[in-house]
Amino acid sequence: EVHLVESGGGLVQPGGSLRLSCAASGFTFNNFYMSWVRQAPGRGLEWVANINQDGHAEYYVDSVKGRFTISRDNAHNSLYLQMSSLTVEDTAVYYCVTNEWEILTAWGQGTLVTVSS
Amino acid sequence: DIVMTQSPDSLAVSLGERATINCKSSQNVFRGSNNKNSLTWYQQKPGQPPKLLISWASARESGVPERFTGSGSGTDFTLTISNLQAEDAAIYYCQQSYTLPLTFGGGTKVEIK
Repeated sequence: EVHLVESGGGLVQPGGSLRLSCAASGFTFNNFYMSWVRQAPGRGLEWVANINQDGHAEYYVDSVKGRFTISRDNAHNSLYLQMSSLTVEDTAVYYCVTNEWEILTAWGQGTLVTVSS
Repeated sequence: DIVMTQSPDSLAVSLGERATINCKSSQNVFRGSNNKNSLTWYQQKPGQPPKLLISWASARESGVPERFTGSGSGTDFTLTISNLQAEDAAIYYCQQSYTLPLTFGGGTKVEIK
């Protein structure tokens, strides 16, 4: 069974940085694209970033380009999201998600990032 | 970017009745490489992450009850929940899986009347 566990969320001041992690298990991690998807409190879903199987191709939504970096460590079945220059608009639950043909197949429980002074 | 528009924003349906949710994409999401429509439906219950319900517009995921039916092609899609059950109360999102950036509809909240 696919298991995705996010960590690293918390309260950060505007302009600050945070690194999210996702521990994956129950599947062959290096066979899958992975994504981060976020959901602001009481709002809808927003895709944030994708990374391919070997970590050499990354894609971002425009609103985070240049500020966020997605990466992965296949040896440790882990996915990361390095976030910098955070704004209040980045406040959301961030989900780690498996991605097959751009279909978001399995989701973690999410980690809450709150950007506030 | 492909804009996904869902309607209605919310609906209240009696137990055993039918709920119909519409999703419209601003561009055709038919993928010629596999002759399938790249339209995906998710269900999200309070306090939970979204759950994949239907992919390729009409392919139900394993374990999803048959009362959930996806249909449509091109730019217009529908999720139908027949014989609505109490556990179907949730927010439903459509998403185009055709091209990046992946984009979602705004969600439709289904409540039990």
